[in-house]
Amino acid sequence: EPEVTQTPSHQVTQMGQEVILRCVPISNHLYFYWYRQILGQKVEFLVSFYNNEISEKSEIFDDQFSVERPDGSNFTLKIRSTKLEDSAMYFCASTGTRNTDTQYFGPGTRLTVL
Amino acid sequence: SQQGEEDPQALSIQEGENATMNCSYKTSINNLQWYRQNSGRGLVHLILIRSNEREKHSGRLRVTLDTSKKSSSLLITASRAADTASYFCATDPQWGKLTFGTGTRLTIIP
Repeated sequence: EPEVTQTPSHQVTQMGQEVILRCVPISNHLYFYWYRQILGQKVEFLVSFYNNEISEKSEIFDDQFSVERPDGSNFTLKIRSTKLEDSAMYFCASTGTRNTDTQYFGPGTRLTVL
Repeated sequence: SQQGEEDPQALSIQEGENATMNCSYKTSINNLQWYRQNSGRGLVHLILIRSNEREKHSGRLRVTLDTSKKSSSLLITASRAADTASYFCATDPQWGKLTFGTGTRLTIIP
């Protein structure tokens, strides 16, 4: 069964460093998302992406964040200058041909900022 | 309550019993999805119910949706130890931007 994959599973970085989290959505999906979950808290929407551009972003997704689909398979989230409060689990998700369909989530990348 | 609030926050039952979790939300939705999360792991999709549907089944899962009360319930029948996890409802008020609840922590006692 097709699945969303994410790398790395765990990323440790120093405050102020740039990180890139990578995702490979399900191959025929058209809508892509990033969410995050701070330890013990709700899963929060960050950004949605369709047709090579951002469809919607939350207040969390400020100028320090960016997303890219550099090729036909990868979908990346970049944090330019990490802060302690960026420590969280980051989930990528994808949906097929309608953005009201099931969102399939990857296993997540745990980001730890020291 | 906030969009997508589950109750109870925690539930412990004996293996074999049924587990019911509820979700309430505030705004109109396109659909409501239920997910399971094992501790520290990813989100596993369980079931999606659209706003024009009232009930849906998938194996041992039964989901209901009452849009007039802005609520949904997830029933897991004949629970197993492997069902121990956190369960979240996620509403879709804005075309793909899922809003998650705080979750119900379900513990199945063998």
